[in-house]
Amino acid sequence: DQQVKQNSPSLSVQEGRISILNCDYTNSMFDYFLWYKKYPAEGPTFLISISSIKDKNEDGRFTVFLNKSAKHLSLHIVPSQPGDSAVYFCAGLQGGSEKLVFGKGTKLTVNP
Amino acid sequence: KAGVTQTPRYLIKTRGQQVTLSCSPISGHRSVSWYQQTPGQGLQFLFEYFSETQRNKGNFPGRFSGRQFSNSRSEMNVSTLELGDSALYLCASIRGARDTEAFFGQGTRLTVV
Repeated sequence: DQQVKQNSPSLSVQEGRISILNCDYTNSMFDYFLWYKKYPAEGPTFLISISSIKDKNEDGRFTVFLNKSAKHLSLHIVPSQPGDSAVYFCAGLQGGSEKLVFGKGTKLTVNP
Repeated sequence: KAGVTQTPRYLIKTRGQQVTLSCSPISGHRSVSWYQQTPGQGLQFLFEYFSETQRNKGNFPGRFSGRQFSNSRSEMNVSTLELGDSALYLCASIRGARDTEAFFGQGTRLTVV
C-alpha cells in the first residue's frame, strides 16, 4: 500500500521556466508534508515543508501547495535553474510519529 | 556544526554474510531513523530510535535490526545478506520532540554479491 505517490518518474523543463512536481497521498493522518532534494551519491536535503492546516508555504523560489480535499500537494520552483536538477522526494509525517513516508521520487532535469 | 556521519560509505559483502552500519547524528539530536533506498522502491522506512529505544519499525524482515547507544549513535545490522539487500542505507537525525525536519547523512552504499 503506497501511501505517498509521485506518479511522474521524471520531468524536464527549460531554465527560467516553472517546474511543478506533484504528489498524492492516501493517509489522512499525515499532518506534515516535506519535500527533499537528492543529488546522486548524497543524502536527501530538506527543502520545504507544509503543515496540514495550511494550504501554501513559500520559501524563495520554492512554494508548496496543499489541497487536503484532493489529498494532493505540489512543489513549484520558479524560476528553475540547472542546479535544481535532482531527484525530488515528497514525504508525509503522521501525527505522533517521526516516521517519514516517502514517495518514489521525481527526477527533475532543468535544461540550460 | 557537524552533520550526520555514516560509516562506511561503501561496502561489498557476499550473500550469507552479515553487516553493521554506523550513524552518528547531529550533536544534540536524540532521534535516529534508518531508510533503505532502492531504484524501484524509493526510500523505505526501516526503524526509528529515540533515547536508545526503538519507537517505530517498518515492514522489513527480522534480519534487519538496530540499536542506539547512550550518546545517540546508532547502528543497524543486517544478517544473512541477500542480493536484494543491495541498496543505499540512509540515516536521518532529528532533534526530537517531533521536529519536522530530518537531516540525512550521505548514506552507506551496500552491494551484496
